Amino acid sequence: NAGVTQTPKFQVLKTGQSMTLQCAQDMNHEYMSWYRQDPGMGLRLIHYSVGAGITDQGEVPNGYNVSRSTTEDFPLRLLSAAPSQTSVYFCASSRTGAAHQPQHFGDGTRLSIL
Amino acid sequence: KQEVTQIPAALSVPEGENLVLNCSFTDSAIYNLQWFRQDPGKGLTSLLLIQSSQREQTSGRLNASLDKSSGRSTLYIAASQPGDSATYLCAGNSGNTPLVFGKGTRLSVIA
Repeated sequence: NAGVTQTPKFQVLKTGQSMTLQCAQDMNHEYMSWYRQDPGMGLRLIHYSVGAGITDQGEVPNGYNVSRSTTEDFPLRLLSAAPSQTSVYFCASSRTGAAHQPQHFGDGTRLSIL
Repeated sequence: KQEVTQIPAALSVPEGENLVLNCSFTDSAIYNLQWFRQDPGKGLTSLLLIQSSQREQTSGRLNASLDKSSGRSTLYIAASQPGDSATYLCAGNSGNTPLVFGKGTRLSVIA
């Protein structure tokens, strides 16, 4: 049971570099989302998708891009990394976007920007 | 905009004690309320989900309740064990909007 898989688990970048955080789920879930978790701030929604080809912004979208070309994958791109983007990033999925569906989380990507 | 608050931020109890974790939310039109567990260095695991038409859900030693009129949810843990030590987060949403998370309560159960 793979569930939600995030890669890499750890990454260190220099300011200005770009990179893509990968997220894949094997449960045929329509709804996928990206959160960042920072000390004292809790989890904040970056972007989400209700199905292939559809994405929308969350609470803190600036500096991040997403796309959803397949049901399984929802990559998060950092265009030009900044120290403020140092965080733990979580990807989550649920069967549909309906509010009563439980969300399944990956184990996170720990990202440090120097 | 839905806001979710969890108090206290940290809690330490002796093994075997029954305990209650609190969660409050600002929008009484909440559609569902979920409780999650997060172990250090790990992602979130969904524990219980209460839909707006429900008042409580139970799973083993865990019982979660939802009182929309007062804007509160509680997670009751019976006969706590050291393995229950983790951070517990609640999250809610209104309508079909994405979940809004509280900052969590870090629970330590001392053997």
